[in-house]
Amino acid sequence: EIVLTQSPATLSLSPGESATLSCRASQSVSSYLAWYQQKPGQPPRLLIHDATKRATGTPARFSGSGSGTSFTLTISDLEPEDFAVYYCQQVNNWPPALTFGGGTKVQLK
Amino acid sequence: EVRLVESGGGLVQPGRSLRLSCAASGFTFDDHGMHWVRQAPGKGLEWVSGISWNSGNIAYADSVKGRFTISRDNAKNFLYLQMNSLTTDDTAMYYCAKDIRVGATTRFGHFEDWGQGTLVTVSS
Repeated sequence: EIVLTQSPATLSLSPGESATLSCRASQSVSSYLAWYQQKPGQPPRLLIHDATKRATGTPARFSGSGSGTSFTLTISDLEPEDFAVYYCQQVNNWPPALTFGGGTKVQLK
Repeated sequence: EVRLVESGGGLVQPGRSLRLSCAASGFTFDDHGMHWVRQAPGKGLEWVSGISWNSGNIAYADSVKGRFTISRDNAKNFLYLQMNSLTTDDTAMYYCAKDIRVGATTRFGHFEDWGQGTLVTVSS
């Protein structure tokens, strides 16, 4: 099973600052990695898929990079609505196994 | 507008069964794979099971293999999850999610749209 490790667990920042979230895979997932945002009491929302592609409606301040085993989600110029938990997720189709990282909480400093 | 509405959750005793349903609308249901993802209270996300557009590819997380069965009815635009031999570890919010991949593929992709979830509580 491919394990995804997210760091840091918590990020304390102020609006206007930039956030850099990391996701490392225990083996290569090529570019089959997504990022989701989840706010309390809500389902997750897809932000980035296939490592670098913004989902429909994702603001341009969100960007994804990386391939293989190391990935980054960058949020530029944090807005108040960006404070949430972020999860990475990989797709391995042979055999099918889709796993999530443990999450990074971006909180108000 | 894509709409996914889960139902069937509730309080159930350990060892019993429950069947979840997900009503889909706003998109061509049989063009997409579908998934169940769960989240235990205060915990992270766990993929539970996925099914391709034509039910030709079905997969489960190891934690539910042999106990849960995913299925779909493309004529009715419904996704199901039959959960047997439930344990307290299965207590979670269960989300129905639409796969981002479109067309006649059995490969799974990421989760493009999500329902609001249905809560399953396993307790005596």
